[in-house]
Amino acid sequence: DADVTQTPRNRITKTGKRIMLECSQTKGHDRMYWYRQDPGLGLRLIYYSFDVKDINKGEISDGYSVSRQAQAKFSLSLESAIPNQTALYFCATSDTQTGYTDTQYFGPGTRLTVL
Amino acid sequence: DQQVKQNSPSLSVQEGRISILNCDYTNSMFDYFLWYKKYPAEGPTFLISISSIKDKNEDGRFTVFLNKSAKHLSLHIVPSQPGDSAVYFCAASGSSGTYKYIFGTGTRLKVLA
Repeated sequence: DADVTQTPRNRITKTGKRIMLECSQTKGHDRMYWYRQDPGLGLRLIYYSFDVKDINKGEISDGYSVSRQAQAKFSLSLESAIPNQTALYFCATSDTQTGYTDTQYFGPGTRLTVL
Repeated sequence: DQQVKQNSPSLSVQEGRISILNCDYTNSMFDYFLWYKKYPAEGPTFLISISSIKDKNEDGRFTVFLNKSAKHLSLHIVPSQPGDSAVYFCAASGSSGTYKYIFGTGTRLKVLA
């Protein structure tokens, strides 16, 4: 079984709709992240959370919100989707127990298309 | 402003030869660097990392070299195999205490059989 799962894997929606992307992990890690990938732009950080009570904005948080429901679950919401939010979204986790050099482990991604 | 740059969007190499993927960065505060590999329809997977206190780190066929004065790192794959065909991302992290990564735009490697 995958350690980091994302649902849905693919989603097509319309402009103005509310969308939630979910991420679950069984690695027992305390840190979780949401990234988006666009062609030619690499991965950019949207939000990150170091524990259940800690939420931080990344470099491109506008238009997004997150919820850390439990240590193992981190969801990303688009309150009113717009076409330029069409992208590949990745969830990642890491563990403070490894110290400064934490390695992030990624989920399989969610391909979101906003029409 | 792109703080981590991978100027070659693609690279083709013959099987058995060396693949060299390059990455440049602009922020001198970065002190930890990683390479991730990504296959289609999968998430990126960690490949190898290097701390700024080192100039080389090796793991099997993969070696990462860091040149701090040039703000440049490279990933060498020797010998290259068809299964190495993927997109490779470099990432950098700084001593800001936030453990955030800045990713490059990726290089698509194709190893020809």
